[in-house]
Amino acid sequence: RKEVEQDPGPFNVPEGATVAFNCTYSNSASQSFFWYRQDCRKEPKLLMSVYSSGNEDGRFTAQLNRASQYISLLIRDSKLSDSATYLCAVNSRGGGGNKLTFGTGTQLKVEL
Amino acid sequence: NAGVTQTPKFRVLKTGQSMTLLCAQDMNHEYMYWYRQDPGMGLRLIHYSVGEGTTAKGEVPDGYNVSRLKKQNFLLGLESAAPSQTSVYFCASRPPRGSYEQYFGPGTRLTVT
Repeated sequence: RKEVEQDPGPFNVPEGATVAFNCTYSNSASQSFFWYRQDCRKEPKLLMSVYSSGNEDGRFTAQLNRASQYISLLIRDSKLSDSATYLCAVNSRGGGGNKLTFGTGTQLKVEL
Repeated sequence: NAGVTQTPKFRVLKTGQSMTLLCAQDMNHEYMYWYRQDPGMGLRLIHYSVGEGTTAKGEVPDGYNVSRLKKQNFLLGLESAAPSQTSVYFCASRPPRGSYEQYFGPGTRLTVT
């Protein structure tokens, strides 16, 4: 089993729709969780951190479910500009360096 | 404040040639990372550094070497390039305390023929 797994998609949704992505992780000791956005041929950019209590930033809501070991990203009122690949990242201690392990990404295409 | 920069942006190498990718950050971050990104494989950690003068292996270190002689720079070397090293290379950095979020450079697109 991969350490971090995501559905690659693509998710094709109409403008204005609500869409949700999940990301599962295998290491129960994981401590920090993030969603990154990556546009085509660009670098990943931090979208939001995921806190235990859940957090919201405008149209974006991130949640953590420790019992089932997954994080989610909900996008409301999708815009054409939301089209991108969304990467989840999970931090684990151990071995020094506090590394992030990334999922392979979920592709979102928002259409007119 | 430029953040994380990478040079070069693009490069084509022939098999067996060598090259060095440079990553520079002006945020005074302690931790720096080199990743490669391939279709369907996601971001994979090559090497990382927890501070000036220190380096460590990541998930896919074979065929690469790194050096961190200055805090702001992290160099990735390919001594004898192979077609399997055709990829997009990203550098990232983060501060030692607080959140573990990483900040990425714009990437280097490398093709080995």
